[in-house]
Amino acid sequence: DAKTTQPNSMESNEEEPVHLPCNHSTISGTDYIHWYRQLPSQGPEYVIHGLTSNVNNRMASLAIAEDRKSSTLILHRATLRDAAVYYCILRKNYGGSQGNLIFGKGTKLSVKP
Amino acid sequence: NAGVMQNPRHLVRRRGQEARLRCSPMKGHSHVYWYRQLPEEGLKFMVYLQKENIIDESGMPKERFSAEFPKEGPSILRIQQVVRGDSAAYFCASSPSRVQAGYEQYFGPGTRLTVT
Repeated sequence: DAKTTQPNSMESNEEEPVHLPCNHSTISGTDYIHWYRQLPSQGPEYVIHGLTSNVNNRMASLAIAEDRKSSTLILHRATLRDAAVYYCILRKNYGGSQGNLIFGKGTKLSVKP
Repeated sequence: NAGVMQNPRHLVRRRGQEARLRCSPMKGHSHVYWYRQLPEEGLKFMVYLQKENIIDESGMPKERFSAEFPKEGPSILRIQQVVRGDSAAYFCASSPSRVQAGYEQYFGPGTRLTVT
C-alpha cells in the first residue's frame, strides 16, 4: 500500500480555518484518499474521501492536487470539538482492496480558544 | 439508525483468563473489521470478516486470538489466556461492502481491555 506523510502536530485558533496537509507521492491511479479523525477516548470517525476532484461535505473539504501526490483537509471554522488526531489513508478500489484501513501516526490537531 | 455497538465498553481480566469482545455492526452492514490500539500507539488492523467467513486475518497474533462473525448475532473477538501486553483499546468497524473503496468504515466506541 502507498504511504502517506503528515505533520505530527498542528495548532489552530478557534473559529479560524485549518489546513491539514498530506503527502502521498507514491499514490496509484486506483487509490482513494480517505480522511478519518479520532477524538480523545473515542473510535475513529470518517471525515471525507475523494479520488481526483475536490470534495465538500458538512464536516470538511478535501482539496486534491492535480497530480494527486498531495491533498489537504480543510476545516473551515475550527471548533474546540475538532481537536483530534487526523489520519490520511489511501485505499485501493475494487479488485485490489482487502478492505482494512492502514493508519499511520496522523496529525494531532490542537484548537485554542 | 443505531451505530456500531461494542460491549463491554470496559473489561478487566486477570492474567490467564479469557476475554470476549462483542461487536454489532450497523444495520445492513455485512462486513466487520477489528482493530487494536495499544497505549500511545496507532490503530492496527487485526481481522476482517464477513458473515460466517474470515476474509483477512493477516493482522491477528498467531496464538490465543480468534474471531468469528456468525450468521446470527454479533461478531466476537476472543482472547484466550490474556497477558498484560493485551491491554489495549479494541475497535470494531463495519461497512456495507468489501469491494467499494469509496465506502467508509463506521467505528464503534471500542472496548478497553485491562489485564491485571
